[in-house]
Amino acid sequence: GQQLNQSPQSMFIQEGEDVSMNCTSSSIFNTWLWYKQDPGEGPVLLIALYKAGELTSNGRLTAQFGITRKDSFLNISASIPSDVGIYFCAGQWAGNNRKLIWGLGTSLAVNP
Amino acid sequence: EAEVAQSPRYKITEKSQAVAFWCDPISGHATLYWYRQILGQGPELLVQFQDESVVDDSQLPKDRFSAERLKGVDSTLKIQPAELGDSAMYLCASSPGQANTEAFFGQGTRLTVV
Repeated sequence: GQQLNQSPQSMFIQEGEDVSMNCTSSSIFNTWLWYKQDPGEGPVLLIALYKAGELTSNGRLTAQFGITRKDSFLNISASIPSDVGIYFCAGQWAGNNRKLIWGLGTSLAVNP
Repeated sequence: EAEVAQSPRYKITEKSQAVAFWCDPISGHATLYWYRQILGQGPELLVQFQDESVVDDSQLPKDRFSAERLKGVDSTLKIQPAELGDSAMYLCASSPGQANTEAFFGQGTRLTVV
């Protein structure tokens, strides 16, 4: 099925560094969601975005809904070891089919 | 805190056997989703229920997969017969309504077909 372009595919950073990842689509979306998944667990919702240009924070996490409605980014400030995991973006089409489309994930590793 | 409950957590089955997974969504959530996630990929929607009705099963391999949510609460996903390629994580999620896409996931069932 259709998937979003999520980048980077993986990141290896030092503890304390900031992280940025993004998702792009060729289609306009009404909603962008960012999830984190730990190994062997289900995804956990981090941030939900509903309006173009919206900037939302959740602790050290900040996400923005792109003005064109075709992209979104997630920033993590001052990374810590427990930030390790796979981060997924998901977007809901603005068309008649409102299916949720998923990115392939960004794998984050943090070196203490 | 309310959670989506799934069982079993792990299942090993031989190919050609039948296997079933169960999901109990967050109380009051009208929308229930079954996803399949292959290692290294994002979740793939198999079926979406609104109350007891299927609203999207376009990606469900209907020759071997079936899903039901008879009373609009808990749900069962069945595979019969299982094939080696069905090995994956099966995730259940729920959301308050069809228009609300903030889906909350269970811990998943890791299926291994041998």
